[in-house]
Amino acid sequence: GAGVSQSPSNKVTEKGKDVELRCDPISGHTALYWYRQSLGQGLEFLIYFQGNSAPDKSGLPSDRFSAERTGGSVSTLTIQRTQQEDSAVYLCASSSRGAVGAFFGQGTRLTVV
Amino acid sequence: KQEVTQIPAALSVPEGENLVLNCSFTDSAIYNLQWFRQDPGKGLTSLLLIQSSQREQTSGRLNASLDKSSGRSTLYIAASQPGDSATYLCAVGMYSGGGADGLTFGKGTHLIIQP
Repeated sequence: GAGVSQSPSNKVTEKGKDVELRCDPISGHTALYWYRQSLGQGLEFLIYFQGNSAPDKSGLPSDRFSAERTGGSVSTLTIQRTQQEDSAVYLCASSSRGAVGAFFGQGTRLTVV
Repeated sequence: KQEVTQIPAALSVPEGENLVLNCSFTDSAIYNLQWFRQDPGKGLTSLLLIQSSQREQTSGRLNASLDKSSGRSTLYIAASQPGDSATYLCAVGMYSGGGADGLTFGKGTHLIIQP
């Protein structure tokens, strides 16, 4: 596609439920990143995929968070047993080696009630 | 651990003024530095990317400079317009493997241009 696409754009879920957030990167981009932006905070790195290499999961805040990238394209970020502090905007970005920077999606606003 | 600070946190100026947004980082061994714009309810839009070997980049009314040794970057906006109102984010990249590897973001400067 023309840009990074994320779905859903908004998600309201009850505390304790699992949620899945989807990211469709720019076609041909080998690198994919997930970030989280909580209210009034900067962007927090979560996880990074580069080609077929093992992902860098160093930013995941707890074992309730996981992500996968199927076929080197679409990625899904899963949050299990959601907590209220998980409420944030989750942003996905993609880039290619040597590209001029990263391109971000519109984000998914997650609200845990 | 890299830390990125943006000053000011918020800025409100009349239309037409030239203004400077500041970004500082603690680890000068960076690969690149990128300025983004974020509009409410939208994702981030890349404005300018400066590689570590460069000192500045220009795009239209925007000019970004980089002084790697002192850990500073500035974003200069000339002849500001109400449409420039947004949050401006500075992000520092630490690795050479790709575009956004290890990006560390500042908390942003919330800019309001008054008509």
